[in-house]
Amino acid sequence: GAGVSQSPSNKVTEKGKDVELRCDPISGHTALYWYRQSLGQGLEFLIYFQGNSAPDKSGLPSDRFSAERTGGSVSTLTIQRTQQEDSAVYLCASSRDKTYEQYFGPGTRLTVT
Amino acid sequence: TQLLEQSPQFLSIQEGENLTVYCNSSSVFSSLQWYRQEPGEGPVLLVTVVTGGEVKKLKRLTFQFGDARKDSSLHITAAQPGDTGLYLCAGAGGSNYKLTFGKGTLLTVNP
Repeated sequence: GAGVSQSPSNKVTEKGKDVELRCDPISGHTALYWYRQSLGQGLEFLIYFQGNSAPDKSGLPSDRFSAERTGGSVSTLTIQRTQQEDSAVYLCASSRDKTYEQYFGPGTRLTVT
Repeated sequence: TQLLEQSPQFLSIQEGENLTVYCNSSSVFSSLQWYRQEPGEGPVLLVTVVTGGEVKKLKRLTFQFGDARKDSSLHITAAQPGDTGLYLCAGAGGSNYKLTFGKGTLLTVNP
């Protein structure tokens, strides 16, 4: 079956511009996660959606970052007024209800020049 | 804040050698997972361990969860170039199923 998909795969933007990153989770998965990964590093948690519950935004690094999930499926991560330190790979993962196993998309590589 | 420390950070070995990667924490986790990530791709789940002292084998890979559920190890026997990648451990400790990831071990197996 189809896995988690993310778009775009690569994004180059100028400092100060806004960007939107998209995630399509596996059909039927109720939980969706966003992570950020710097070169060769582990994953930094950003935000977590579970069903209709209020999202856990505790990992968002600043108020320039926001995310929404429409209809319990597709999610968009928005970064406003991008900074060079925002350059990283942004990974999305989804999972079934009340399980620990997460399935990851291929990521979006964001480069802020 | 729960932290997971992985060691070593980098490991370069020859094909056929054995290796062990460690994942340690001062916190207790309800479950722990190992992922492998290849360049340009997202992490892929290898195994989940949930019981203290649990040992799971996946072909040449052996995973162990510590008795106190604070640490884990991954042992690879007779490593092959296809084992090359970033190995990440991740722990779950709360009721919200959110994972805490270690920084990873970058393994290179040379032919």
